[in-house]
Amino acid sequence: GAVVSQHPSWVICKSGTSVKIECRSLDFQATTMFWYRQFPKQSLMLMATSNEGSKATYEQGVEKDKFLINHASLTLSTLTVTSAHPEDSSFYICSAKRPEQVYGYTFGSGTRLTVV
Amino acid sequence: AQTVTQSQPEMSVQEAETVTLSCTYDTSENNYYLFWYKQPPSRQMILVIRQEAYKQQNATENRFSVNFQKAAKSFSLKISDSQLGDTAMYFCAFGANNDMRFGAGTRLTVKP
Repeated sequence: GAVVSQHPSWVICKSGTSVKIECRSLDFQATTMFWYRQFPKQSLMLMATSNEGSKATYEQGVEKDKFLINHASLTLSTLTVTSAHPEDSSFYICSAKRPEQVYGYTFGSGTRLTVV
Repeated sequence: AQTVTQSQPEMSVQEAETVTLSCTYDTSENNYYLFWYKQPPSRQMILVIRQEAYKQQNATENRFSVNFQKAAKSFSLKISDSQLGDTAMYFCAFGANNDMRFGAGTRLTVKP
């Protein structure tokens, strides 16, 4: 149980275009989902926290207009990188939390984004 | 703000030996959780072990155990009988108030 699917696993896009990454909880309802960014050989940096049906809470320094997060249902959160630039190239990981779960969230398998 | 520090960027251990990864944290919270996550080359984050701050007893999961020193804000991970499959990045993480923060990670290599 507690499976989180993240799609796509990798994507290449051209500068100036937008790309959407999906994070789905397959066998549980996730009231809260988290989006992280990981640079090569570095740690996971929390970008934003999304709660179903409400606006995402972004970490300081994360551009809300560039990284659009939508948590429209209890099983799906999306991250859209708008007007992508090469510096947005990174590994993006989502995690999901069950309502009854205090901590120990389940992570998706990540998405490698390359902007050319 | 919570901070998590892993002072060992890289470590190695011989197969079947024991290795300890260090982690310290800083917080003013009383109720929190600490975690060790493993990230193999596939980059899938895998929960290794979890410790509730209110519990004095150190958590154990098979070959993995922690040494939780609350006063010192220290949370080290001991891996016994290291296996080749333990080769991965290990991240220490702190969770409080619906928030989770990660340390910089330790790259562990298990040598045959």
